Amino acid sequence: NAGVTQTPKFRILKIGQSMTLQCAQDMNHNYMYWYRQDPGMGLKLIYYSVGAGITDKGEVPNGYNVSRSTTEDFPLRLELAAPSQTSVYFCASSYGEGGELFFGEGSRLTVL
Amino acid sequence: GQNIDQPTEMTATEGAIVQINCTYQTSGFNGLFWYQQHAGEAPTFLSYNVLDGLEEKGRFSSFLSRSKGYSYLLLKELQMKDSASYLCAVMDSNYQLIWGAGTKLIIKP
Repeated sequence: NAGVTQTPKFRILKIGQSMTLQCAQDMNHNYMYWYRQDPGMGLKLIYYSVGAGITDKGEVPNGYNVSRSTTEDFPLRLELAAPSQTSVYFCASSYGEGGELFFGEGSRLTVL
Repeated sequence: GQNIDQPTEMTATEGAIVQINCTYQTSGFNGLFWYQQHAGEAPTFLSYNVLDGLEEKGRFSSFLSRSKGYSYLLLKELQMKDSASYLCAVMDSNYQLIWGAGTKLIIKP
């Protein structure tokens, strides 16, 4: 099993550019999440989804968008990148609400 | 507001025992998680406590006191590969995870 797969692992963006971070899981999990991790701070939830076609905002959704057209895929879209979006992004999934999280390897994004 | 506190960094010796504390103030409580995160890698699940008491899993144990808003992760027989950050996370009444900033554990030979 591949688990949770994220791409790309590294990316440098210029201010104002847009990009999509891809996330796919093969565990048939209903719940999927996008977090960002900044130095010295806890993981912050950006968006989450409880199933295909259903998404909801987390703690820090501004500047991001998501979609969940299938159970497997949960891409994160950054529109008009800003330096404040420089971070490490983790996609995660869980079987149920409150369950153990399975994380992807992370995507390190730098906005210059 | 919701808050999770854990020490920023701890140092311990190979073969010894270390206890990493976590205190929390959250809107409701639906369980506490510990994750391990090696540098440059993703977090991986270590333990889950929802009832008071000690949960033991090999060299790692996790303790919870809901009345005190307190948990600790106990690591025994420390190995160099235990050098990592340990993240405490509490699930609030809305089943949202609130994460601590993590404790970086340095193991010295």
